[in-house]
Amino acid sequence: ILNVEQSPQSLHVQEGDSTNFTCSFPSSNFYALHWYRWETAKSPEALFVMTLNGDEKKKGRISATLNTKEGYSYLYIKGSQPEDSATYLCAPPMDSSYKLIFGSGTRLLVRP
Amino acid sequence: DVKVTQSSRYLVKRTGEKVFLECVQDMDHENMFWYRQDPGLGLRLIYFSYDVKMKEKGDIPEGYSVSREKKERFSLILESASTNQTSMYLCASSLRIGGLHPPHTFGSGTRLTVV
Repeated sequence: ILNVEQSPQSLHVQEGDSTNFTCSFPSSNFYALHWYRWETAKSPEALFVMTLNGDEKKKGRISATLNTKEGYSYLYIKGSQPEDSATYLCAPPMDSSYKLIFGSGTRLLVRP
Repeated sequence: DVKVTQSSRYLVKRTGEKVFLECVQDMDHENMFWYRQDPGLGLRLIYFSYDVKMKEKGDIPEGYSVSREKKERFSLILESASTNQTSMYLCASSLRIGGLHPPHTFGSGTRLTVV
């Protein structure tokens, strides 16, 4: 079973701060990396699916980078807002199938 | 707006009861998944279905079974509920596109308490 680690476990920032967190995964047999945002009382929502080494994706103030050779991805949030408060999950596929292995997430709290 | 709908938001069941959790998607997705989420742990895959009547075990299938008689519906069955199955259960679906890994679309979850 893949070992997927996310750090930090939780993060408290002030509104307007920029922040980033890390997802580490085995670098061998890489297929893809998913990022999801999960707000309290809502469904997890897909942010990005990244597939290429060096890939960078952006959605509004959120961006992500991917390094498949060393097995990590960074998620950045520029100018955090209270509505960014959520748990951010990363998940590589288990194998060549569609099954994902989720990290335990980074819980972000943005204080107004 | 595409949706994955889980039949119940909250459920309380007694130990030993047979429990059915229902999930319906309206996106014509081939793949459907059942996960559970517990504090401090990531989402853990219970079962996966890639087509009608087809299923694969995930990481933690013990004590569960599934049914997929129609493409849009994927049911999770707790044969005899136990207190260690108290958890948040999430259903998800995705397209099946060879060579690609499309994102999951998740339901809003069912919080099951077994007493």
